Amino acid sequence: ELKVEQNPLFLSMQEGKNYTIYCNYSTTSDRLYWYRQDPGKSLESLFVLLSNGAVKQEGRLMASLDTKARLSTLHITAAVHDLSATYFCAVDRGGSEKLVFGKGTKLTVNP
Amino acid sequence: DAGVIQSPRHEVTEMGQEVTLRCKPISGHNSLFWYRQTMMRGLELLIYFNNNVPIDDSGMPEDRFSAKMPNASFSTLKIQPSEPRDSAVYFCASSPGLPRYEQYFGPGTRLTVT
Repeated sequence: ELKVEQNPLFLSMQEGKNYTIYCNYSTTSDRLYWYRQDPGKSLESLFVLLSNGAVKQEGRLMASLDTKARLSTLHITAAVHDLSATYFCAVDRGGSEKLVFGKGTKLTVNP
Repeated sequence: DAGVIQSPRHEVTEMGQEVTLRCKPISGHNSLFWYRQTMMRGLELLIYFNNNVPIDDSGMPEDRFSAKMPNASFSTLKIQPSEPRDSAVYFCASSPGLPRYEQYFGPGTRLTVT
């Protein structure tokens, strides 16, 4: 059974600081996804990582994938309040479109 | 494109009543997914369709839940009879398939069963 673990589950940080969210998964997969969810809202796709060593960046967020370690990271640079949200990673089961989601990391950026 | 459309956005019903949630996927997407999100269980995949055919319904909790996709632009998730433990946010998502299999989520339906 594919399991996806994120840590930390809760992260409170100050504006201007850097931090990394980790996503580990238990079985081989070729695709990893990062989503953002604001309170009471839907999930918004941030990154799709399709191969080992893939790195994607958008603004203050950068995601990377190491398929050999079964690890993805979401790095936050110089956090701002607008980044406060819950971030989910998700992994597909090889050969399937089904996604298994982590429990999410609730990020709070304080002034 | 309008994105994935779900209706209703909020539903409050009494235990035992039938509830029908509706979804219109993004035009051209060939896969559709129904998810349920709760604080306790997180985000769970209930069922997904490819080209209107149910592919995997292993996440459907029990026989009270059923889903249909009569055509490429419409799907329903029905709960009959509803129970308080069904209270959750139900999301529909669609995907264009290869190569990214990226899923685009609708706004969700918040269901409260009293």
